[in-house]
This record gives sequence, structure tokens and C-alpha cells, in this order.
Amino acid sequence: DTEVTQTPKHLVMGMTNKKSLKCEQHMGHRAMYWYKQKAKKPPELMFVYSYEKLSINESVPSRFSPECPNSSLLNLHLHALQPEDSALYLCASSRTQEGYGYTFGSGTRLTVV
Amino acid sequence: DQQVKQNSPSLSVQEGRISILNCDYTNSMFDYFLWYKKYPAEGPTFLISISSIKDKNEDGRFTVFLNKSAKHLSLHIVPSQPGDSAVYFCAASNYGGSQGNLIFGKGTKLSVKP
Repeated sequence: DTEVTQTPKHLVMGMTNKKSLKCEQHMGHRAMYWYKQKAKKPPELMFVYSYEKLSINESVPSRFSPECPNSSLLNLHLHALQPEDSALYLCASSRTQEGYGYTFGSGTRLTVV
Repeated sequence: DQQVKQNSPSLSVQEGRISILNCDYTNSMFDYFLWYKKYPAEGPTFLISISSIKDKNEDGRFTVFLNKSAKHLSLHIVPSQPGDSAVYFCAASNYGGSQGNLIFGKGTKLSVKP
């Protein structure tokens, strides 16, 4: 398995909803990342997990809450989002934070209404 | 099948010389290309981009060249500095189409030796 799998592919949620995005990889990678990408802009780094521990939080609002329950799984919990949070959320993984074998998922397209 | 390929996993260059990182793609619908740089213990950061209507874009020591007929792009760093040592990722997208997200290559690790 050489892929990063993200679910769901599309999500529409209201501003009072609580939802979660899921990212999974079975390549034995120990670094996992969340990115946010707005239309026609490069992805912006949100969080980095290394060996299941949060190592980088790029000053992301607390309405986004990451979780890494094990080495294969990375979640992003969403609560009380704003319409401007609508974007493509990309997950990635690499062997370590050195970056070898960097692989991106296909993303979850989130719309907040 | 990989749509964006970086066939060299690593490259070593002497300080002051030119670094050339290569990237090939298969999807002729791609119309926007980017290079990202990643240091250890950090996420990738945006470096330079090029639209398919251009064949060259320059920003300081960094120049990206696009050859659409060959479906090939390259990043030139002149002169190379030890601080340029990092992993470099090529990415492509068809913003003009319905996809709108980036497809990344696997990266090339550049080592610039003093």
C-alpha cells in the first residue's frame, strides 16, 4: 500500500456542527501532516505529527483539533467552523520529518454553510 | 501511476555551483506548477511557481523552467548555498479545470557541501 487515504472526499457542514476528517496510511510513515488549500493558492501547513506527537502547530484556531491515535491514523476534528474555513484539506505523510517518501492524499473538500 | 515524477531521490552539489532539480509530469491538463522546499522537522514551504503560459520564472537565486512539449520542469538554484540543503518537491495542478488540487512528486534531497 503506497497511498494516503482521506475520508470523506466531500463534506458539507453547518457552523454549529461537529465533524471529523480522517487520514490513513499503511506505509510505516512516522510523520503526518495536515494542510489547508484555498482555491488557486498553494497548501498552507496546519499541523505536523512526528511519532504520534504534535510537533508543529502553525497557529491554527482551536476550532481545528488534530488527533493522532496511532501511527497509521490522523484525524482533524472540526467544531464551530466559519464559512471562510471552506477549503480543500490535504493530509500527507513521510517516513520521518526528514521528508523521505513524502506522499499526499487526494484531500477532503469542505464546505461550511 | 504517478502523474508527477522526480526521478532523482538525492543530489549533491558544491557550494557556489548550480543545483538543477528535475521533474516530469504525464497529465497534459496541468496548467500550474510549484516547487516546495522542506527542511527536517518542518513542513514543506512554498518556493516558486510557474503557470503553463510561461516557460520561465525567476525569483532571486531560484529559476523554474517549463518545457510543455517534453512535460518537464526544472528548478535551478544559482549559486547554491549550504542553507539550500533540503528536500525539494515538485507539484502540479490544473486550476483551470475541475480538479484544483495539487499532485506532488516524491521529492529530491539536495545536499550543498561547503
